[in-house]
Amino acid sequence: DQQVKQNSPSLSVQEGRISILNCDYTNSMFDYFLWYKKYPAEGPTFLISISSIKDKNEDGRFTVFLNKSAKHLSLHIVPSQPGDSAVYFCAASALPYGGSQGNLIFGKGTKLSVKP
Amino acid sequence: ETGVTQSPTHLIKTRGQQVTLRCSSQSGHNTVSWYQQALGQGPQFIFQYYREEENGRGNFPPRFSGLQFPNYSSELNVNALELDDSALYLCASSFSRELAKNIQYFGAGTRLSVL
Repeated sequence: DQQVKQNSPSLSVQEGRISILNCDYTNSMFDYFLWYKKYPAEGPTFLISISSIKDKNEDGRFTVFLNKSAKHLSLHIVPSQPGDSAVYFCAASALPYGGSQGNLIFGKGTKLSVKP
Repeated sequence: ETGVTQSPTHLIKTRGQQVTLRCSSQSGHNTVSWYQQALGQGPQFIFQYYREEENGRGNFPPRFSGLQFPNYSSELNVNALELDDSALYLCASSFSRELAKNIQYFGAGTRLSVL
């Protein structure tokens, strides 16, 4: 049973436009959420995170929105650039952070293609 | 460049064999986690080591075991390989056990194929 779901396997966006990647979760105990980006032949790289006490976190072109009541979060990239083309993973964690119970649960990923 | 290196990059084994995968963490990182990423899936937590002791384990059988050494290197050992063990194995290191609040730095992974 998937606790973190990324229902769109792929997304194609024009350069300069907004990219919106979505993630849903089922476990109400999750209270920390992260996005990782992965290029081919490289390991995932941390992008941005958000705690459940917030509903928005912004870092440059990247903004993550959290809707706890809907158990939904989204990553907005504005403006999108060709270098953003990668697989994006949503991950979630519950207290206590770390160990068996607090390890990161990843979604299956969404492949973003930004076309020039 | 994350400072986390894994070896080998690719490996082919046959069913029933044993395999050891290696990871060199960033200097100063006392926590290492191992993940299995099957094709089309996200990384799945195998276990975590903190200061050379297992600190938590995901839903993987005992034939998956690990070691962490004082020199920031670690190993993932898999015995009695099965076809379903074919996957990308990722190692990630961090300064703390609190994986959510502390950035994990991933290696590029070892691609294991079991025939």
